[in-house]
Amino acid sequence: ETGVTQSPTHLIKTRGQQVTLRCSSQSGHNTVSWYQQALGQGPQFIFQYYREEENGRGNFPPRFSGLQFPNYSSELNVNALELDDSALYLCASSSKGQGVRQTQYFGPGTRLLVL
Amino acid sequence: SQQGEEDPQALSIQEGENATMNCSYKTSINNLQWYRQNSGRGLVHLILIRSNEREKHSGRLRVTLDTSKKSSSLLITASRAADTASYFCATDKAGSYQLTFGKGTKLSVIP
Repeated sequence: ETGVTQSPTHLIKTRGQQVTLRCSSQSGHNTVSWYQQALGQGPQFIFQYYREEENGRGNFPPRFSGLQFPNYSSELNVNALELDDSALYLCASSSKGQGVRQTQYFGPGTRLLVL
Repeated sequence: SQQGEEDPQALSIQEGENATMNCSYKTSINNLQWYRQNSGRGLVHLILIRSNEREKHSGRLRVTLDTSKKSSSLLITASRAADTASYFCATDKAGSYQLTFGKGTKLSVIP
């Protein structure tokens, strides 16, 4: 167990709807990253939050947005859902500002199905 | 986009045998890591090797890194049925905390 939790575990939405996924980072970690993993693929980086600000973004459209709260927990919001958004969404926490430390600890993921 | 490519895509071995998975990547890196994923759930960090290291061990795991060939290998010795999972390599660049993953190797260890 990494200490990173995500909710909900599973979610079913229809095309055009909006969804919010949540992540609580491991104690002592100040950075949260979100990844999308389509079936049979490796995770793809969506964005990262550090001290409540977006700190890097992958190749995802603006309808993917996020928040980080003062307690370092985070939300991923996806608007205008498309069928291709069906995937496992993973969040990972890490600790920035402590030298070279790239180990990210992943949560169990939220499986999103868009119908 | 996927930075790394794992090889093979799938591997099936008998319990007790060794399993070797390879990863190639395209651009210069700061670190390379290996993760395990069971049945489409969260990723578990296995081992990190820095760009100035050539080999690293952790229990039954041995990782090598050849930056001149932009490749890495993960060796699991004396495999167990519990090692059945997908294995991913992930790279990062200097100054970035973004991890770039390959498509993974699906390992099946038959009891």
